Amino acid sequence: DIQMTQSPSTLPASVGDRVTIACRASQSISTWLAWYQQKPGKAPKLLIYKASSLESGVPSRFSASGSGTEFTLTISSLQPDDFANYFCHQYDSYPLTFGGGTKVEI
Amino acid sequence: QVQLQESGPGLVKPSETLSLTCAVSSASITGYFWTWLRQPPRKGLEWLGYVYYSGSTNYNPSLDSRATISLDTSKNQFSLRLNSVTVADTADYYCAGLLTPYDAFRLWGQGTRVTVSS
Repeated sequence: DIQMTQSPSTLPASVGDRVTIACRASQSISTWLAWYQQKPGKAPKLLIYKASSLESGVPSRFSASGSGTEFTLTISSLQPDDFANYFCHQYDSYPLTFGGGTKVEI
Repeated sequence: QVQLQESGPGLVKPSETLSLTCAVSSASITGYFWTWLRQPPRKGLEWLGYVYYSGSTNYNPSLDSRATISLDTSKNQFSLRLNSVTVADTADYYCAGLLTPYDAFRLWGQGTRVTVSS
């Protein structure tokens, strides 16, 4: 199985901050990586697919990059609605696997 | 707009079988890879498996063959059965859909909490 490791697990931040979350795959997954936002009691919401493609309707302050084993998600200017849990997901091979999550909190 | 809705018991006893159903609305059950995932409290997501409308299935080996995912085309729904449950199976369970097996998840149910406890 491909292991997905995120860092940090918790990210204290303030409105307006630029924040970056990292995700590392245990082996190369090319660009078959997605990023999701999840709020308490809700289903995950797709933000980014194919490592850097912004999902329709997602604000442009979200961006992502990477390939192979190293990936990042950046929020350029944190908004109050962005305080949530974020996690990565590899869909290069089965079983599909997910990162442990990064909680962006005040 | 396609919608998914999970349903099933919120409490299951250890050693028994967990059964959940996902109702699909505004889309045909055919043409998607219908998927179950779960998220234990304060942990990351785990992919459990999928069923395709052809009947083919794929499961996470971590489940040790305890899971069965099936389709009911007459009711436009699909189901998860997980037998011999333990407290480690306590989680929020999500149904989801993929148009291809190698894609990001755009289509999710709202999730349902299942607690395994005597």
